[in-house]
Amino acid sequence: GAGVSQSPSNKVTEKGKDVELRCDPISGHTALYWYRQRLGQGLEFLIYFQGNSAPDKSGLPSDRFSAERTGESVSTLTIQRTQQEDSAVYLCASSRTVSGNTIYFGEGSWLTVV
Amino acid sequence: QKEVEQNSGPLSVPEGAIASLNCTYSDRGSQSFFWYRQYSGKSPELIMSIYSNGDKEDGRFTAQLNKASQYVSLLIRDSQPSDSATYLCAVILSGGSYIPTFGRGTSLIVHP
Repeated sequence: GAGVSQSPSNKVTEKGKDVELRCDPISGHTALYWYRQRLGQGLEFLIYFQGNSAPDKSGLPSDRFSAERTGESVSTLTIQRTQQEDSAVYLCASSRTVSGNTIYFGEGSWLTVV
Repeated sequence: QKEVEQNSGPLSVPEGAIASLNCTYSDRGSQSFFWYRQYSGKSPELIMSIYSNGDKEDGRFTAQLNKASQYVSLLIRDSQPSDSATYLCAVILSGGSYIPTFGRGTSLIVHP
């Protein structure tokens, strides 16, 4: 596709439910990143995938968060047993390579936990 | 110590003026620097990247990098109300991780 595509764009869920967020990177981009941005806050790194290498999960805030990516295609971020503090926009980004290359963001998935 | 720091602002400038946005970083070995603009409720969009010391110009935007002093700045000439947004500085720190670290952003308000 022309840009990074994320779905759903908006999600309202009840506390305790699981949610799944999807990201489709720009075609040909090998690196994929997930960030979280709470209202009025900065971007918080969550996880990074590069090709078939083991992902860098150092930013995941708890074991309720997990992500997968198949090859160099779609990634899914899963949040289990959602809590109110999980409410945020989840931004996916991709880049062509890792060596200093620019990352491009999708429009984000806005998650509200009630 | 935060790795990438920006003044949160808001920075208020009149239309037509030059807006100057600054960013400092703690890792002297950093090599890649980016400026993003984020409108309220939207995702960040790239303005420009810079990798070498000095100035890099793109239209009304100029990025300035000084690795010795560990700062990168963004100048916006002839500021317009449509430039009102939060400007995010991102740095790829040294150490083998290629993950951009973002500052908290500076809110810019351009008033007519």
